[in-house]
Amino acid sequence: DAGVTQSPTHLIKTRGQQVTLRCSPKSGHDTVSWYQQALGQGPQFIFQYYEEEERQRGNFPDRFSGHQFPNYSSELNVNALLLGDSALYLCASTAWGDEQYFGPGTRLTVT
Amino acid sequence: AQSVSQHNHHVILSEAASLELGCNYSYGGTVNLFWYVQYPGQHLQLLLKYFSGDPLVKGIKGFEAEFIKSKFSFNLRKPSVQWSDTAEYFCAVLLTTDSWGKLQFGAGTQVVVTP
Repeated sequence: DAGVTQSPTHLIKTRGQQVTLRCSPKSGHDTVSWYQQALGQGPQFIFQYYEEEERQRGNFPDRFSGHQFPNYSSELNVNALLLGDSALYLCASTAWGDEQYFGPGTRLTVT
Repeated sequence: AQSVSQHNHHVILSEAASLELGCNYSYGGTVNLFWYVQYPGQHLQLLLKYFSGDPLVKGIKGFEAEFIKSKFSFNLRKPSVQWSDTAEYFCAVLLTTDSWGKLQFGAGTQVVVTP
């Protein structure tokens, strides 16, 4: 049973660039959430997607956007990267009545 | 604003010692509570959760947690730790008015167990 997968594992970008991170949910899950985990901090909720729509959003600027595809996979896009965007980006999937399962994360470094 | 506080950022203890990690949250309504663990190089994994009922919750790997509503606390315990318990531990809260699954995490506690 495949768990949550994320790609790429690591990514290095330059300030001002744009980045796209990808997530495939656990089999049977239809809801995907994205979290940002800065060094030494707990994960912070970015947004959640269900039925291809953003259902809830945390306190992140519009530079952070996302998408969910019909197969429930999801992308997180970040425009105009800042040094402060350097973090581990976690994807979590769930379905009604189930817990959230987390992926291994994508480590983004902005230089 | 709602928040989750974990009392210790780093804990170092010897094998067989007892472990207790504190977690407090600030929210006046009904909450669901979680402890997650992140072993070195691995995914965040759910240790245990409290939704309702018995406030003493047992999880995997010998961990347990006690929900004390009057203190807004959900402390994690393990009577005797092993070297393999070295990991980062996160307390998280899900507001039950928030049925969409937005977890609020504490800053985490890094636990190091020495042989």
